[in-house]
Amino acid sequence: EAEVAQSPRYKITEKSQAVAFWCDPISGHATLYWYRQILGQGPELLVQFQDESVVDDSQLPKDRFSAERLKGVDSTLKIQPAELGDSAMYLCASSLYGSTDTQYFGPGTRLTVL
Amino acid sequence: AQRVTQPEKLLSVFKGAPVELKCNYSYSGSPELFWYVQYSRQRLQLLLRHISRESIKGFTADLNKGETSFHLKKPFAQEEDSAMYYCALSGVTGSARQLTFGSGTQLTVLP
Repeated sequence: EAEVAQSPRYKITEKSQAVAFWCDPISGHATLYWYRQILGQGPELLVQFQDESVVDDSQLPKDRFSAERLKGVDSTLKIQPAELGDSAMYLCASSLYGSTDTQYFGPGTRLTVL
Repeated sequence: AQRVTQPEKLLSVFKGAPVELKCNYSYSGSPELFWYVQYSRQRLQLLLRHISRESIKGFTADLNKGETSFHLKKPFAQEEDSAMYYCALSGVTGSARQLTFGSGTQLTVLP
């Protein structure tokens, strides 16, 4: 069964450093999402792609976060510089068409900023 | 703005007892609602969606627009139902439709 892949699974970094996370969605899924999940809370959408285009990044802290999906397949989320408050689980998900479709989640990347 | 509230962070029931996980929402349009579940050491996955009106693993959820609720119910809880449950709403925010999650309820089914 096809699954969403993410790497790395865990990342420890010091504040002010740059970090990057990678996501490979299920083949054929046009929509890709990046979520941030702080401990004790539900996932919060950071950015949503439709193919290679950003359709919603209203909650992405654009001064330090960036995301791209250059060929409309895999995607990278970057944080530069990382801050203590960025410590969280970063989840990637994909769906066939849009957010009313079933979203399939990856295992997540646990980021710890020291 | 759309909002999902799950008032219980923790819920414990005994095996065989009925269980109800509460979810209330705030949204000005016509909502599409979902329940996602995360079992221990597994990925977040869809449990059910209101538009399907189906029962999955014995769970059902009815959308009550008058009370703006979408509570998840199961008549007889099983130990394997122990997991974190998230209610989610798909609605239009700005120019895009996005999924908004509640903060989750950790269900523990005791033997």
